[in-house]
Amino acid sequence: DAGVIQSPRHEVTEMGQEVTLRCKPISGHNSLFWYRQTMMRGLELLIYFNNNVPIDDSGMPEDRFSAKMPNASFSTLKIQPSEPRDSAVYFCASRGDVGYTFGSGTRLTVV
Amino acid sequence: DAKTTQPTSMDCAEGRAANLPCNHSTISGNEYVYWYRQIHSQGPQYIIHGLKNNETNEMASLIITEDRKSSTLILPHATLRDTAVYYCIVRARLNDYKLSFGAGTTVTVRA
Repeated sequence: DAGVIQSPRHEVTEMGQEVTLRCKPISGHNSLFWYRQTMMRGLELLIYFNNNVPIDDSGMPEDRFSAKMPNASFSTLKIQPSEPRDSAVYFCASRGDVGYTFGSGTRLTVV
Repeated sequence: DAKTTQPTSMDCAEGRAANLPCNHSTISGNEYVYWYRQIHSQGPQYIIHGLKNNETNEMASLIITEDRKSSTLILPHATLRDTAVYYCIVRARLNDYKLSFGAGTTVTVRA
């Protein structure tokens, strides 16, 4: 079991550019989550998918953020245009029978 | 979800047991106690969960008081690799997908 796989691990981009973060959940997990972590706000839930359908996107900060899950094995989180305040570590997680399994995260720096 | 209160930080000697307290005085009957930890630069990792009985797995033990208003996570033989932020989370297991992370307890295991 390779766990939840996120790419890239690190991303540095200029303000105004589009950023796409990718996630491959654990096979068989029906729920997928995107979290954001900053020093100021801690871990925040951005969006939750169940069976590839977005159930709750109330945590998505604004229209610049969008997430998709075209199939059970892949999800993306896109920021367009990116801003310096989007700099954070973004985690993807999938949920099995017991607990959540998180990926290693993508550290995004917007300069 | 019921609110949890944890100490901000604690130190532990390598090889000794680490006892991490958590208060959740407003917990309701259908809410479980979950513990996760986050090692530096990694995603959160599930440790253990329980409802009212004490639980043990290969990582830790969870002791829940009879009134369920507090619990203790026990790492039986702490190692340097157990240095992490430990989160105590209370949530209903069914139909409640949000995992709300507080500030947690920063545990430092010292040689």
